[in-house]
Amino acid sequence: AQKITQTQPGMFVQEKEAVTLDCTYDTSDPSYGLFWYKQPSSGEMIFLIYQGSYDQQNATEGRYSLNFQKARKSANLVISASQLGDSAMYFCAMREQGDYKLSFGAGTTVTVRA
Amino acid sequence: DTGVSQDPRHKITKRGQNVTFRCDPISEHNRLYWYRQTLGQGPEFLTYFQNEAQLEKSRLLSDRFSAERPKGSFSTLEIQRTEQGDSAMYLCASSASLSYNEQFFGPGTRLTVL
Repeated sequence: AQKITQTQPGMFVQEKEAVTLDCTYDTSDPSYGLFWYKQPSSGEMIFLIYQGSYDQQNATEGRYSLNFQKARKSANLVISASQLGDSAMYFCAMREQGDYKLSFGAGTTVTVRA
Repeated sequence: DTGVSQDPRHKITKRGQNVTFRCDPISEHNRLYWYRQTLGQGPEFLTYFQNEAQLEKSRLLSDRFSAERPKGSFSTLEIQRTEQGDSAMYLCASSASLSYNEQFFGPGTRLTVL
């Protein structure tokens, strides 16, 4: 079964606007971590933000914030004030309890328009 | 540059040939991971090392694949008798013994099997 689901294959956003990327996950572990990575056309995976399952507050890192809804098993990424350099593929990933590997979703391509 | 490095960045080979990729992790990181990413998909876990010990291998890692991490430093991934289906981006990542195990990725090696 797919552990991470990203239902938006591609999204367009106007420069300076906000965009929300959806991510739902599936696990029965009480302890887990959720990650978002950015992959530009160059190919390198860049870590953006992390949310632990026991974290009380939603994670934020600069223009990135994570809308964590535990009961719904969703961990949506919000990018505020989009910039042209934000155009890339974005991946949601999960690490389950007692595990070290990451399970990735299929990704969402974001294109920022000037 | 103190990030994860991978060599080569690109490799074109003929079907049936053997190829070897190298990954140099961030120096203080004791954990090293290999992932494979095909076009339009998220990375898939292949194998994981803690220091020099290979602790987990995915079922994706057929007997044609072998990975090593001698002395717990750099790692090599070898593919024997390559097949066209092996064409993919091979990503290496490393992490330290942190509470949430953020993984830092290298630029990847893109393999094309003709």
